[in-house]
Amino acid sequence: GIQVEQSPPDLILQEGANSTLRCNFSDSVNNLQWFHQNPWGQLINLFYIPSGTKQNGRLSATTVATERYSLLYISSSQTTDSGVYFCAVEMRFGAGTRLTVKP
Amino acid sequence: EAQVTQNPRYLITVTGKKLTVTCSQNMNHEYMSWYRQDPGLGLRQIYYSMNVEVTDKGDVPEGYKVSRKEKRNFPLILESPSPNQTSLYFCASSSRDYFDDEQFFGPGTRLTVL
Repeated sequence: GIQVEQSPPDLILQEGANSTLRCNFSDSVNNLQWFHQNPWGQLINLFYIPSGTKQNGRLSATTVATERYSLLYISSSQTTDSGVYFCAVEMRFGAGTRLTVKP
Repeated sequence: EAQVTQNPRYLITVTGKKLTVTCSQNMNHEYMSWYRQDPGLGLRQIYYSMNVEVTDKGDVPEGYKVSRKEKRNFPLILESPSPNQTSLYFCASSSRDYFDDEQFFGPGTRLTVL
């Protein structure tokens, strides 16, 4: 099956900083999503992005399907951005990036 | 409001006592699935359903049963729960085959088996 690797596993930021999270996958895909799991455990859809670039407020994502990676950008981070960010490729999840934003 | 609902949200039970976690979606989605999330192992798919009366095993189906008698409902059944089934469970749905469409997740059910 498809292998999904996320990096870094942990990230600590000061409020206001920018960050880039990466997702590498082992095969061509038709479906890639980014999720945020908040401290209460809820999974929140961020982007459905099998290819191309999308933006939603301070967050944006880019998937380069031919090179088998996707990037999630968080700009001007806020404490509410804390949690775990998952990349899911054809519904196989990576291990996540745990983001902590300090005030 | 379009959503996936799960009940109960929290459950503590004992080994061997049959339980059912319900999942319902109001988006007329064809595809539904169950996942469990464990520390260090991430989210793993238990079962999925492409449509009514069509179900198939995911990566970790042992110890679980599902049924899809109606389009909107996809209950997860643990006939004889064991402590290794203590986990956080998520139900998800999408409008088509998950290869082609975005999935939406329920709020999760935190299960503890003593």
